[in-house]
Amino acid sequence: GQQLNQSPQSMFIQEGEDVSMNCTSSSIFNTWLWYKQDPGEGPVLLIALYKAGELTSNGRLTAQFGITRKDSFLNISASIPSDVGIYFCAGRDGNKLVFGAGTILRVKS
Amino acid sequence: NAGVTQTPKFQVLKTGQSMTLQCAQDMNHEYMSWYRQDPGMGLRLIHYSVGAGITDQGEVPNGYNVSRSTTEDFPLRLLSAAPSQTSVYFCATTGPRRTEAFFGQGTRLTVV
Repeated sequence: GQQLNQSPQSMFIQEGEDVSMNCTSSSIFNTWLWYKQDPGEGPVLLIALYKAGELTSNGRLTAQFGITRKDSFLNISASIPSDVGIYFCAGRDGNKLVFGAGTILRVKS
Repeated sequence: NAGVTQTPKFQVLKTGQSMTLQCAQDMNHEYMSWYRQDPGMGLRLIHYSVGAGITDQGEVPNGYNVSRSTTEDFPLRLLSAAPSQTSVYFCATTGPRRTEAFFGQGTRLTVV
């Protein structure tokens, strides 16, 4: 089946730093989604991208849908302790969502 | 408005036992799905449904059954639990645009 390669697997950064993570795929997706999961909770949608080249922001978060439709990145600016969690990318394939393995973000205050 | 509700939140089963994980949504969404989450593997699709009476297999369907008799409910049945089914299970719904998925809080299942 389709796979999304998400990197890095984990990050340990200083509070106030900017963060960047990305997802790549061998297949084309028409929609890219970014989710955050807090411990003991289900994933929560952060940003949805619907068009190649689209750049969308949600507060300190910015995500882009790659021109080739095979990749996407998520940036977090000026990280804070509550940014800790697991970030997942997902691509839509017809009726299904395909998820990356996640990026674990740890922030050192 | 509760969104997506999963029960139970935690469950321990013995190998060979059967059980049903419940999922209910009050968002009137046609599309519902079940995922399992294992360390380092993200979320993998087990089964999904595009509407009442319609179900289909996802990436990892073996050992699981689903049914969709109503729009609101989408239970997941483990027929004969195995240790390999130890995981966290998430139910999700997707709105009319079939893009954003809304997840429940998960069921943590341990099979011993």
